Amino acid sequence: QKEVEQNSGPLSVPEGAIASLNCTYSDRGSQSFFWYRQYSGKSPELIMFIYSNGDKEDGRFTAQLNKASQYVSLLIRDSQPSDSATYLCAVNIVSGNQFYFGTGTSLTVIP
Amino acid sequence: DGGITQSPKYLFRKEGQNVTLSCEQNLNHDAMYWYRQDPGQGLRLIYYSQIVNDFQKGDIAEGYSVSREKKESFPLTVTSAQKNPTAFYLCASSLSGELFFGEGSRLTVL
Repeated sequence: QKEVEQNSGPLSVPEGAIASLNCTYSDRGSQSFFWYRQYSGKSPELIMFIYSNGDKEDGRFTAQLNKASQYVSLLIRDSQPSDSATYLCAVNIVSGNQFYFGTGTSLTVIP
Repeated sequence: DGGITQSPKYLFRKEGQNVTLSCEQNLNHDAMYWYRQDPGQGLRLIYYSQIVNDFQKGDIAEGYSVSREKKESFPLTVTSAQKNPTAFYLCASSLSGELFFGEGSRLTVL
């Protein structure tokens, strides 16, 4: 089993603050990394992906990847109540083109 | 519109019955996947297929079966051998490294 680990939370932040979500992975063959947002009862939706070490910014979201430490994170700036959801980290193992998911971190943004 | 369609969205089954969940995509994606999600847990891979007429077991394939006779379709059968089938089932497809999901099928065993 390819392990992807996340803190389950719950993580609570006040509206307007920065939310920081973390993920570690065990397989050094992992090539690409994804963050999905999942609202209760709904399917996951892709919000960010990152392939290279460093930071990638998209609006209020920043993904950070450190392959040496096998660590990927997601920062959400200016958090809004609509950001309240479970955030799933996923990694893609190129050989076999398989995607493995963490258990998710539950985020609550308090108005 | 392009997308992944799963049906039914909700399904109730009696113990001992097989059920088949449908997954159709019009994105022209080669790879398709089935995941299972239990409350408070992440997604676990059941089966995946990289190409028509070929598929591989994921981490929790026991009690499930699939077919891939057409590029667009990847149905999942939950058999009576699956001891705890109540879950949220998600179908997904991928073309170039990104995974896209259908809306899911929620199966409840009565």
